[in-house]
Amino acid sequence: EPEVTQTPSHQVTQMGQEVILRCVPISNHLYFYWYRQILGQKVEFLVSFYNNEISEKSEIFDDQFSVERPDGSNFTLKIRSTKLEDSAMYFCASSDGGATGTDTQYFGPGTRLTVL
Amino acid sequence: DAKTTQPNSMESNEEEPVHLPCNHSTISGTDYIHWYRQLPSQGPEYVIHGLTSNVNNRMASLAIAEDRKSSTLILHRATLRDAAVYYCILTYSGGYQKVTFGTGTKLQVIP
Repeated sequence: EPEVTQTPSHQVTQMGQEVILRCVPISNHLYFYWYRQILGQKVEFLVSFYNNEISEKSEIFDDQFSVERPDGSNFTLKIRSTKLEDSAMYFCASSDGGATGTDTQYFGPGTRLTVL
Repeated sequence: DAKTTQPNSMESNEEEPVHLPCNHSTISGTDYIHWYRQLPSQGPEYVIHGLTSNVNNRMASLAIAEDRKSSTLILHRATLRDAAVYYCILTYSGGYQKVTFGTGTKLQVIP
């Protein structure tokens, strides 16, 4: 069964450093998303991406964040200058955008980001 | 966004059926009912969705009330692996959309 994969599973970085989180969405999906979950809190939407453009972003997704689809298979989230409060699980998701009636998203296993 | 209401937590004995309720009294005619779950330390996982009719898949069944103001996710035989937080979410028909997670129902399965 097709699945979303993410690398690395755990990333430890120093405050102020740049990190890139990588995702490989399901191959025939066209819509891509990033979410995050701070320990003990809800899963929060960050950004959606379609046709090489951001479709929607939350207020969390400020100028330190960026997303990119560098090739036909990868989808990345870059955090330019990490802060302590960026420590969280980051989940990538993909979908067909509702082609079958409504949008069903498939999530990856997540990357645990720890900022020291 | 139309909202859903779920109990904070539920318990079930292993190998018994589990009925997870969800109220969505402000659902619109074109809203689908989606269920996702999140196992400990894992990403959210799609479980099932439906519009009006009851739905079955390999993971669960979804029973939708006739007036669509409530629904029930049914796990026919709970296993320890089903211990997770279950989220009932409304999605509109057509087009991509972000998933807005609430607090869900934390299901504990007792061996």
